[in-house]
Amino acid sequence: KNQVEQSPQSLIILEGKNCTLQCNYTVSPFSNLRWYKQDTGRGPVSLTIMTFSENTKSNGRYTATLDADTKQSSLHITASQLSDSASYICVVSKFSKLIQGAQKLVFGQGTRLTINP
Amino acid sequence: EAQVTQNPRYLITVTGKKLTVTCSQNMNHEYMSWYRQDPGLGLRQIYYSMNVEVTDKGDVPEGYKVSRKEKRNFPLILESPSPNQTSLYFCASSFKGSSYEQYFGPGTRLTVT
Repeated sequence: KNQVEQSPQSLIILEGKNCTLQCNYTVSPFSNLRWYKQDTGRGPVSLTIMTFSENTKSNGRYTATLDADTKQSSLHITASQLSDSASYICVVSKFSKLIQGAQKLVFGQGTRLTINP
Repeated sequence: EAQVTQNPRYLITVTGKKLTVTCSQNMNHEYMSWYRQDPGLGLRQIYYSMNVEVTDKGDVPEGYKVSRKEKRNFPLILESPSPNQTSLYFCASSFKGSSYEQYFGPGTRLTVT
């Protein structure tokens, strides 16, 4: 069964601290891996997209890593801010066997991050 | 402004009363998709569309219908809503191709009593 598992489920840190969120996946055939940020009650917003050949990608204070061999990814947040409080969702895209170009996204359950002042 | 819009944002209805949630995008995207999000389950795909008149089932299509008569619109239809369809629904769009970013709408919170 295709799965994307994230850890921890929730995390509380103090403002200014760094943190790392984890994602393990078994989705196949792998196309790319994405990290999304979702504020409560809002739609997810893309942070990074990484293909098989990319090991790391940054977006401001967010840095994602990908190890395609071990099927693991991490999202590192540097110097956290109160506005970083949100759910962070790991999403793996797989190639569709039936329709070329179709995006089949498999979502993790997310990590709920709370930044305290 | 490039965006995906959904209407209504909130809806409370009763079992069996047909409803439609609209989704529209202004980015000329070929690909559009509907998801539902439930606590502890993450986002799950209901239906997707690769282009006008091309739609296919996602992971949880039962109880839903879609149509894609125009490129910009992708409505989600619940012919006979049931309480287990109470959920937060998101529409998303992107250019065709697996590496393109998906843009999500603001969500529609549906309650079926």
